[in-house]
Amino acid sequence: AQSVTQLDSQVPVFEEAPVELRCNYSSSVSVYLFWYVQYPNQGLQLLLKYLSGSTLVKGINGFEAEFNKSQTSFHLRKPSVHISDTAEYFCAVPLQTGANNLFFGTGTRLTVIP
Amino acid sequence: DGGITQSPKYLFRKEGQNVTLSCEQNLNHDAMYWYRQDPGQGLRLIYYSQIVNDFQKGDIAEGYSVSREKKESFPLTVTSAQKNPTAFYLCASRRGDTTTDTQYFGPGTRLTVL
Repeated sequence: AQSVTQLDSQVPVFEEAPVELRCNYSSSVSVYLFWYVQYPNQGLQLLLKYLSGSTLVKGINGFEAEFNKSQTSFHLRKPSVHISDTAEYFCAVPLQTGANNLFFGTGTRLTVIP
Repeated sequence: DGGITQSPKYLFRKEGQNVTLSCEQNLNHDAMYWYRQDPGQGLRLIYYSQIVNDFQKGDIAEGYSVSREKKESFPLTVTSAQKNPTAFYLCASRRGDTTTDTQYFGPGTRLTVL
């Protein structure tokens, strides 16, 4: 089975500073990867997904992620964060190749400090 | 507007009672999911359904039951057998059975056992 690990449970960052949220995956085959965002007391919303092709994936709200096969990572980045980016971010991967269900990481809570 | 609705937003239950959480979608999606979210644990899959009148257990199905009589609806019953039901419950749907399809989430129901 495939899985992901989010190394940081909480990341505080000042407004307008850059941020990187880390995600490592475990898989020995082709992999699809997802990042979701959850604002307080709401459901999850897809930020971006990597399926194939370019390793740099651009998503909504100015976020981007880079698929790195050699480091088995899919870190999420934003060059300048805003207060409204305060939320919890989840990395996810299909449980196994071709599976319909996702394995979600434990989440990283991003807090943007004014 | 198309989307997923969950009701109620907040639910309180006495110990020993069964409660049913509603999930409705008008996206014409085939697949529907129920997740449980606890602090620091990410999302855990309770049940999922790929098609009407069919559903499968997820990782933590004990103490829960579901039905899928209509494509649009996937209610979740939390039974008295669930020993620790206080959590945030999220419903999701997906268009088909392709791994790369995006899961869309409802706004969630917060269940508290008194």
